[in-house]
Amino acid sequence: QKEVEQNSGPLSVPEGAIASLNCTYSDRGSQSFFWYRQYSGKSPELIMFIYSNGDKEDGRFTAQLNKASQYVSLLIRDSQPSDSATYLCAVGGGADGLTFGKGTHLIIQP
Amino acid sequence: GAGVSQTPSNKVTEKGKYVELRCDPISGHTALYWYRQSLGQGPEFLIYFQGTGAADDSGLPNDRFFAVRPEGSVSTLKIQRTERGDSAVYLCASSLGTGRIETQYFGPGTRLLVL
Repeated sequence: QKEVEQNSGPLSVPEGAIASLNCTYSDRGSQSFFWYRQYSGKSPELIMFIYSNGDKEDGRFTAQLNKASQYVSLLIRDSQPSDSATYLCAVGGGADGLTFGKGTHLIIQP
Repeated sequence: GAGVSQTPSNKVTEKGKYVELRCDPISGHTALYWYRQSLGQGPEFLIYFQGTGAADDSGLPNDRFFAVRPEGSVSTLKIQRTERGDSAVYLCASSLGTGRIETQYFGPGTRLLVL
């Protein structure tokens, strides 16, 4: 049984600070890792994907992958109130579908 | 271009009834997925289609659930003899290809409430 673990939060971060979201996964053979953002009552929206060990940056977002530790993280720099949402870590894809964590509820305090 | 669309957006039914949920993927996307999301949980994989055939239906919770994609585009998720525990948001996603690196794009979901 593939599992993806996230701290459900809420994680409260002051506006302008760095928000750090973490995720661990159980299937060592996993190859693809995704971060989705979900606003209340809305569907998940892709923020970033990462396949290789190391960091991947896209604007204010940086995804970090450590396959040896089975750990994925998402950093959000210069956090804005509009970043307040639930962030879902997802692993896998293709014919197996994605395995999601429960999500971390992020609150950016103005 | 248009994204994934799902109808209806909301469905209220009574226990024991039959329901159909429709998904229209992004044009040109060959892979289609159904997920179910309960309150406070992440989406749970149900079934995957590559073209017209269900390539993986291992996530369907039981034989009351069935999905089809007869022409390789629109898909319908069918739930027989609905139970209160089936209440959730049913999400459809599509991707351009079938590889593990393909990004899945989600529709707005159908909120199903079984009374």
